[in-house]
Amino acid sequence: EIVLTQSPGTLSLSPGERATLSCRASESISSDYLAWYQQKPGQAPRLLIYGASSRAPGIPDRFSGSGSGTDFTLTISRLESEDSAVYYCQQSSKTFGQGTKLEIK
Amino acid sequence: QVQLVQTGGGLVKPGGSLTLSCEASGFTFSDAYMSWIRQAPGKGLEWISYISSSGSYTTYSDSVRGRFTVSRDNTKDSVYLQLKSLRVEDTAVYYCARVHMVAATDWGQGTLVIVSS
Repeated sequence: EIVLTQSPGTLSLSPGERATLSCRASESISSDYLAWYQQKPGQAPRLLIYGASSRAPGIPDRFSGSGSGTDFTLTISRLESEDSAVYYCQQSSKTFGQGTKLEIK
Repeated sequence: QVQLVQTGGGLVKPGGSLTLSCEASGFTFSDAYMSWIRQAPGKGLEWISYISSSGSYTTYSDSVRGRFTVSRDNTKDSVYLQLKSLRVEDTAVYYCARVHMVAATDWGQGTLVIVSS
């Protein structure tokens, strides 16, 4: 079973800064199978990125994904207060990482 | 627009059973793979089940295999999750989701299942 490990556990940044979130797989996975989600308190998750780097419809271009093999990254440029949330990666529509909590100061 | 409306859930005793429903609209349901994902209170997301568009293929996480059953009725645009032999640790918000492009593109609103005596 492939395990996804996200880092850091918590990230605290100011508006306008750039956030870099990491997702590392225990073995190599196809980029086609890596997705990122955003979840705000009390809400269902929302798909941000699929296929490691493709933005879902309606997602601002401040959000971008990259990576291959075992190392994947979600980058959020020009942080806004509304970006405060927990971010999860997922592989093959199955296993999720444990999440990274992003706090905007 | 795509909508997934969930019903079911509630309080059940350990060892009990429950069925969750998820009715879809806004897309061709019979073409869609569907997943169930849960989230225990204060915890992360856990994928638990997946069903193909025709219903001929299903798969489960180790934590629920043999106790939970996923099914669908394409004439009713609905997917179901039957939960049996429930344990305290099954307490969670359960989400149905449409799977497209190997990702959960659309999510239901979630339904809370509490397993407690």
